[in-house]
Amino acid sequence: GAVVSQHPSRVICKSGTSVKIECRSLDFQATTMFWYRQFPKQSLMLMATSNEGSKATYEQGVEKDKFLINHASLTLSTLTVTSAHPEDSSFYICSASSDRGRDIQYFGAGTRLSVL
Amino acid sequence: QKEVEQDPGPLSVPEGAIVSLNCTYSNSAFQYFMWYRQYSRKGPELLMYTYSSGNKEDGRFTAQVDKSSKYISLFIRDSQPSDSATYLCAMNDGGATNKLIFGTGTLLAVQP
Repeated sequence: GAVVSQHPSRVICKSGTSVKIECRSLDFQATTMFWYRQFPKQSLMLMATSNEGSKATYEQGVEKDKFLINHASLTLSTLTVTSAHPEDSSFYICSASSDRGRDIQYFGAGTRLSVL
Repeated sequence: QKEVEQDPGPLSVPEGAIVSLNCTYSNSAFQYFMWYRQYSRKGPELLMYTYSSGNKEDGRFTAQVDKSSKYISLFIRDSQPSDSATYLCAMNDGGATNKLIFGTGTLLAVQP
């Protein structure tokens, strides 16, 4: 099956710092990558969709300047939470799909962010 | 009304039971249907993928899609404690955005 690696799995940072999360597709070319946020006992909330080489498309209510997304290659996308605050503490998950199986998304293991 | 409705549970069953998980949806354009399993503090793992109506079986898992009723199901036979997780249904219309619409997830606990 398709493998998506997400790193780091856990990060604790001070308020005001920036945090970068990486998402890599290990065995396929990810033409599209997605970033989700998940609160405890809730379903996934789509934050943005990114296509390789293009600017990300953000969902309504998601701050573009707060959550910077870069999809520079067909195997790597990054999410940077800028000037993180305690309310940004959450579980962030990436997923990836390829051109061949474009309807299927394969997910990373998630990153638990805690902002102190 | 949400586009996809899923009973959040929790659902508790004894080991060996047959589990039935369901989702209903309102958008008749949906044609790709998926079931994901998510363990606590982990990312979702794809279990089953179905296109349009019909049944699909993979080991102990069977996915059913009834587009006329806008209803999908996941059956787990001979349930095991290791099946304890949250099960998310997801679907899309195959359009340009590739976005998945998720159910809220059903928390399943299989008691040994």
